[in-house]
Amino acid sequence: QQQVKQSPQSLIVQKGGISIINCAYENTAFDYFPWYQQFPGKGPALLIAIRPDVSEKKEGRFTISFNKSAKQFSLHIMDSQPGDSATYFCAASKGSSNTGKLIFGQGTTLQVKP
Amino acid sequence: GAGVSQSPRYKVAKRGQDVALRCDPISGHVSLFWYQQALGQGPEFLTYFQNEAQLDKSGLPSDRFFAERPEGSVSTLKIQRTQQEDSAVYLCASSFGGGRIDTQYFGPGTRLTVL
Repeated sequence: QQQVKQSPQSLIVQKGGISIINCAYENTAFDYFPWYQQFPGKGPALLIAIRPDVSEKKEGRFTISFNKSAKQFSLHIMDSQPGDSATYFCAASKGSSNTGKLIFGQGTTLQVKP
Repeated sequence: GAGVSQSPRYKVAKRGQDVALRCDPISGHVSLFWYQQALGQGPEFLTYFQNEAQLDKSGLPSDRFFAERPEGSVSTLKIQRTQQEDSAVYLCASSFGGGRIDTQYFGPGTRLTVL
């Protein structure tokens, strides 16, 4: 059972454009939603995270939009740069759990063309 | 400071061999996670340690998989009698706190190929 569904699978954006990646979740107990960035041969690195008590969080060129009623959240990358070319994963976790384990989406491969 | 390190970075095993993968977490981090990442997929949770206690092993796919963290620092993931379906990148992550939401810092992973 896929608890976190991510789309699109791949995305090509021109330099300076906006990249948008969407995720949907099923478990209403999830209360922590991070986005990770992964470059080839590297481990995932935290980009930005949000909790469901806010609808939007912005850090530099990266923004998370959160819709609790629709159980959806998205990552927006403004002014996309070639250096942003990587695979992006959304994830979710239950704060009530005693582990903090992350449930990841399937990933989106982003290519930013110069 | 040093991040999470994993060794070896690459491991090729013949089907049926046992393998051991090592993780050195960030010093002082209480929590340690193991994830399995198949090609083109997101990481999937395997097991969780809080210090030396293995609190969650619900993601281990079979009894051929075993993990330990005897002194609450370095961890080893052991896979016995490897199968081709075990081929994946094995990621280790650590976080400062225990039993709550904290940023997880990932190592570069060990790519296991079973022939």
